[in-house]
Amino acid sequence: GAGVSQSPSNKVTEKGKDVELRCDPISGHTALYWYRQSLGQGLEFLIYFQGNSAPDKSGLPSDRFSAERTGGSVSTLTIQRTQQEDSAVYLCASSFEGRNTEAFFGQGTRLTVV
Amino acid sequence: AQKVTQAQTEISVVEKEDVTLDCVYETRDTTYYLFWYKQPPSGELVFLIRRNSFDEQNEISGRYSWNFQKSTSSFNFTITASQVVDSAVYFCALSEERGFNKFYFGSGTKLNVKP
Repeated sequence: GAGVSQSPSNKVTEKGKDVELRCDPISGHTALYWYRQSLGQGLEFLIYFQGNSAPDKSGLPSDRFSAERTGGSVSTLTIQRTQQEDSAVYLCASSFEGRNTEAFFGQGTRLTVV
Repeated sequence: AQKVTQAQTEISVVEKEDVTLDCVYETRDTTYYLFWYKQPPSGELVFLIRRNSFDEQNEISGRYSWNFQKSTSSFNFTITASQVVDSAVYFCALSEERGFNKFYFGSGTKLNVKP
């Protein structure tokens, strides 16, 4: 498809385990974002990639969270030693470069830490 | 400080009623961009509209209209003759000139349209 693709759509993991969430942005989009949405809450910014520039990691809640973007395309968000408070929907979005462009979102990965 | 405030947590209307969703933003930039997104029960955010800070013209798209007022830092969204399919969470967002496309989202307004 032509939209932002995220996998898996659902992930249940045990507390203390590591998880990897994947995002395939729209082809040609140079900007990629990760947001987190807890149940019934708004969107919390996590990290932003723009081309070859250093990513904006200011939203990552702890050093257990990290993300990378390989080849300017696919991105992986890794959460180490998961905690129950990490349970949320993790949303990825992409856009063309520039501040006047809208972001297109994927369907999200629902993470449940038990 | 919250950059985008959506004071209405949840609104319930009956089909065919008009409803306005409020959005108030805060920024020191002279150049910025405002957005509205819809999140239906399926979960995926759907882009609705983008406005830049230099264009205060109101916009109408079918049953949707947006009222941008810099004097009150508001960017309100009105749905005319609401339908059940409009039921969703609606998010307002701000992107600043200096922010390099980082979107600041409001907490969202859940709209329930009852038949």
